[in-house]
Amino acid sequence: GESVGLHLPTLSVQEGDNSIINCAYSNSASDYFIWYKQESGKGPQFIIDIRSNMDKRQGQRVTVLLNKTVKHLSLQIAATQPGDSAVYFCAEFSSPSGGSYIPTFGRGTSLIVHP
Amino acid sequence: DAMVIQNPRYQVTQFGKPVTLSCSQTLNHNVMYWYQQKSSQAPKLLFHYYDKDFNNEADTPDNFQSRRPNTSFCFLDIRSPGLGDAAMYLCATSRDRTRTTTMGFTDTQYFGPGTRLTVL
Repeated sequence: GESVGLHLPTLSVQEGDNSIINCAYSNSASDYFIWYKQESGKGPQFIIDIRSNMDKRQGQRVTVLLNKTVKHLSLQIAATQPGDSAVYFCAEFSSPSGGSYIPTFGRGTSLIVHP
Repeated sequence: DAMVIQNPRYQVTQFGKPVTLSCSQTLNHNVMYWYQQKSSQAPKLLFHYYDKDFNNEADTPDNFQSRRPNTSFCFLDIRSPGLGDAAMYLCATSRDRTRTTTMGFTDTQYFGPGTRLTVL
């Protein structure tokens, strides 16, 4: 059944520090992954993506690392800013019928950045 | 300018009283999705429309229905809301289904701000 009042994992960092948010995904057949940022009262926003044939991809201040052996994804945020405070979700995409890819979201991590 | 619009942002309904949530988009995207997100949980896909083709997730309760009268609008109908249906409902769009091409993956989703549903 559903859990009521489930608490998200929380990462608290100081402004300027680097942040690492982790995600364990479930489907070894997933071949595309996205990190989303969700601020309070808003919908998820795309941050960065990675295909399964890559193990690292860099964006502006963000890096995603993929370890397919242990089905682990991480998001690194450099020089974290107060505006980075949000809940971060990973989403894995798989195509069970060989057609369109459907996302499954991970649990989410709440990032709190202290000034 | 907002590209995926959800109205209302907050909706209160009574137990068992049908409610409709609205989503509109200015992107002319082919695909529209509805997600349910309960407090401190990940979004869960309920169904999606690829143009007029409706695709229901296997575990979406029958209590949830959807309509897409045209490209721009998509509605989520909850026929008899229960207390457990209180959640944030997120609408998303993508130009086409996420799929692989020689250029990589295409057409990621754009999310609206969500409608928070309270059931009394």
